[in-house]
Amino acid sequence: DAGVTQSPTHLIKTRGQQVTLRCSPKSGHDTVSWYQQALGQGPQFIFQYYEEEERQRGNFPDRFSGHQFPNYSSELNVNALLLGDSALYLCASSLELAGVQDTQYFGPGTRLTVL
Amino acid sequence: QKEVEQNSGPLSVPEGAIASLNCTYSDRGSQSFFWYRQYSGKSPELIMFIYSNGDKEDGRFTAQLNKASQYVSLLIRDSQPSDSATYLCAVTGSNFGNEKLTFGTGTRLTIIP
Repeated sequence: DAGVTQSPTHLIKTRGQQVTLRCSPKSGHDTVSWYQQALGQGPQFIFQYYEEEERQRGNFPDRFSGHQFPNYSSELNVNALLLGDSALYLCASSLELAGVQDTQYFGPGTRLTVL
Repeated sequence: QKEVEQNSGPLSVPEGAIASLNCTYSDRGSQSFFWYRQYSGKSPELIMFIYSNGDKEDGRFTAQLNKASQYVSLLIRDSQPSDSATYLCAVTGSNFGNEKLTFGTGTRLTIIP
């Protein structure tokens, strides 16, 4: 049973560039959430995708956008990168049953460094 | 006031002793509560979840929830060096459906051999 996978593992970009991070949910899961974890902090919710639509969004600027594909995989895009965007980006997947979301399971994360 | 608060530690516990980790939350309507373990450089790994007041046990781990006091804790019995990690408390909001997780900053636990 494949768990949540993310790519790439590590990424180095310069300020102003754009980045795309990818996530494949755990087998059988249909909901994908993205989190940003800065060093020494807990993960911060960015947004959640279900049925190919953004269902919830945290307090992140429009530079952060996403997409969910029909196979439930997801992408996170960040435009005009800032130094402060350097963080571990985590994807979590879950299954919605009768309107109730099951437990979220995290992927290994993508470490983004902005120089 | 932070939505989810944890003592950042570090918390040092001798091997074989009980480690007690605490968390308070501000949203009285929160419905679901989770403990994740995170090793340095790795992603969070689910340890336990609890929805109802009282205790829930799973092996060496016990989660305790008191909604009236807006308090949730994690006890680790017979602590092992491999339990050394950061423990993240996370809560969901007032609706059972499709809720984001709100995390504390985590408590760093060190088990001393």
